[in-house]
Amino acid sequence: GESVGLHLPTLSVQEGDNSIINCAYSNSASDYFIWYKQESGKGPQFIIDIRSNMDKRQGQRVTVLLNKTVKHLSLQIAATQPGDSAVYFCAETDTDKLIFGTGTRLQVFP
Amino acid sequence: DAGVIQSPRHEVTEMGQEVTLRCKPISGHNSLFWYRQTMMRGLELLIYFNNNVPIDDSGMPEDRFSAKMPNASFSTLKIQPSEPRDSAVYFCATLGAPNYGYTFGSGTRLTVV
Repeated sequence: GESVGLHLPTLSVQEGDNSIINCAYSNSASDYFIWYKQESGKGPQFIIDIRSNMDKRQGQRVTVLLNKTVKHLSLQIAATQPGDSAVYFCAETDTDKLIFGTGTRLQVFP
Repeated sequence: DAGVIQSPRHEVTEMGQEVTLRCKPISGHNSLFWYRQTMMRGLELLIYFNNNVPIDDSGMPEDRFSAKMPNASFSTLKIQPSEPRDSAVYFCATLGAPNYGYTFGSGTRLTVV
């Protein structure tokens, strides 16, 4: 799936470093947030989610932080690997509708 | 579980032709979503169904677009007549429970020439 946009921000990191991808969401009523990873030619793939009653959630090598005060979400990837190279989207919902942000391209170089 | 299955994977058609995109949701997933992804607009929600009933079609761009879900195991997105600006990747996604496990298909890349 093409997810390259003319205005897609890009984060370049060295293999082994930690990555932090940020996202600002718009709806203060949103109560559920998800990070997706999209590789070239594929659909978005679930990484990690968090509900609005939490401010941090950890998975395997990934951590999501939620700051409801400023409507900000971040995804931290520890020990970034070449396989992490992809476009990352945050998504928010307050009903069943999942609304996506514009995405950030993560490039991992050796 | 084969996941969300979309067909065709790629579609090239001439302007003015009818295009039908297909989606088979994960068995037991009650909500189905159609998204469109373009370089300029990112991922846009077109329409979604809950228990086969269209709930919100406010994202459907024009009357040329229509979607149906005749049963729990099949949905179509139709564009008639198609135009070059409809060229995009169209994704189907399904949800099995409230706020849990949105799963996306691999998408259909549509090119209208």
